[in-house]
Order: sequence, then structure tokens, then C-alpha cells
Amino acid sequence: GQSLEQPSEVTAVEGAIVQINCTYQTSGFYGLSWYQQHDGGAPTFLSYNGLDGLEETGRFSSFLSRSDSYGYLLLQELQMKDSASYFCAVRFYGQNFVFGPGTRLSVLP
Amino acid sequence: DAGVIQSPRHEVTEMGQEVTLRCKPISGHDYLFWYRQTMMRGLELLIYFNNNVPIDDSGMPEDRFSAKMPNASFSTLKIQPSEPRDSAVYFCASRLQSGGQGAMNTEAFFGQGTRLTVV
Repeated sequence: GQSLEQPSEVTAVEGAIVQINCTYQTSGFYGLSWYQQHDGGAPTFLSYNGLDGLEETGRFSSFLSRSDSYGYLLLQELQMKDSASYFCAVRFYGQNFVFGPGTRLSVLP
Repeated sequence: DAGVIQSPRHEVTEMGQEVTLRCKPISGHDYLFWYRQTMMRGLELLIYFNNNVPIDDSGMPEDRFSAKMPNASFSTLKIQPSEPRDSAVYFCASRLQSGGQGAMNTEAFFGQGTRLTVV
């Protein structure tokens, strides 16, 4: 089957660094994406890893290791506005995305 | 571009009624997805289209659900008859395939969603 796992909640303080992990059980996929969703809002794209390794986009970085079936999203210099839910998503051969259950990040002052 | 546009933003209906959700994808995008989001089940893919053709509808929960894409700029998701368990936020998303299957251009753009409440 195809499944993704994420921690349900993470809490950190402003200015800190937080890592949100995503483990998956699947094969035959193009890459791992990360989406952010604020309460009442739509998911918005953050990053994509098609190859193993680290991708950096400003304060956000994402990592993928296919051999370990594992990826993570790293958020640096946390700000209050980063409080949101974060979803990993796998794009399978074909075009459909399967989303993880989401991790709710709370940033405290 | 105004992004993916969904209507209505909110819908409250009585059990047994027909509900139609609408989506206008980003112009030029060739893939369109319908997702449902609930606290219990998270984001679930219901169906997706490529160039207006339904490709995978295995996520459609049952025959009460149907989706159409009569042209590149419009899609509908219909529930008939609606039930309380259909209450959820329904998202439409679109993307453009470019550069081959493994392309880095994998971003899906989501609409703001339709919050459906069936009472």
C-alpha cells in the first residue's frame, strides 16, 4: 500500500529551528513535496525533492532519502506566522498526490 | 491569474439534497484535482483529470459522487443525494505538467475550498 506518517503536533518558540519528519511506505514515486496550510486556508506549496538530498528555499529546507523512505522539512528562524499545518505529499507515477496526515506546528512567543 | 477559483465558499444543505461544487482552474493548466479534507481522514484525493479527461476516480467514495470537466476552464463535483457524513472542505487544485514526468514543476495550486455542511 501507499502511506505516509507524520507527527501530529510540534511546538517550538520563535527564533528556533524545528524539523518535521515524514516517513512513507511506497515505491515508484517521483518525489516528495511539502505544503503549508493555515487554519481556514488552502494548502500552499513549499518545496519539492525529486532527488535525494537537501533543497533550500529561504528559511525552509527539505530533505529526502529514498533508501531510508524518509524526508523532513526544516524550518529555521521560526516566526509566529509559521504556525500552521504542514503536509508531506508523494507524487506517484501517474499524476495524483497522496498527502500525509499533517503536522500542526505551534510557534510560541 | 486569479488562481484556482471555487464556488461557493460555503454551502449548507439538508440531507438528501443535491449539491454542486464548481471549480475554475488556472488558465493553461492541464491537470485538475478534487480533494476532500476532514479532521478524521485528512486530505483525500477524490478524482483527477488530464486535459478534461477523468484519469483516476478511485477515490470517489460512492455512486452519489460524480465529477465532470466539460472544458479546460470548468469542473464540477456533484453529490446526489447528500448525507451528513459528506460534510467536509472540498478543494480543487490544478497544475501544469511540463518537462516530462519527473519534472521539478510539480506544484499544485489549490483553490480556497468549499466548506460543505449537510444537516
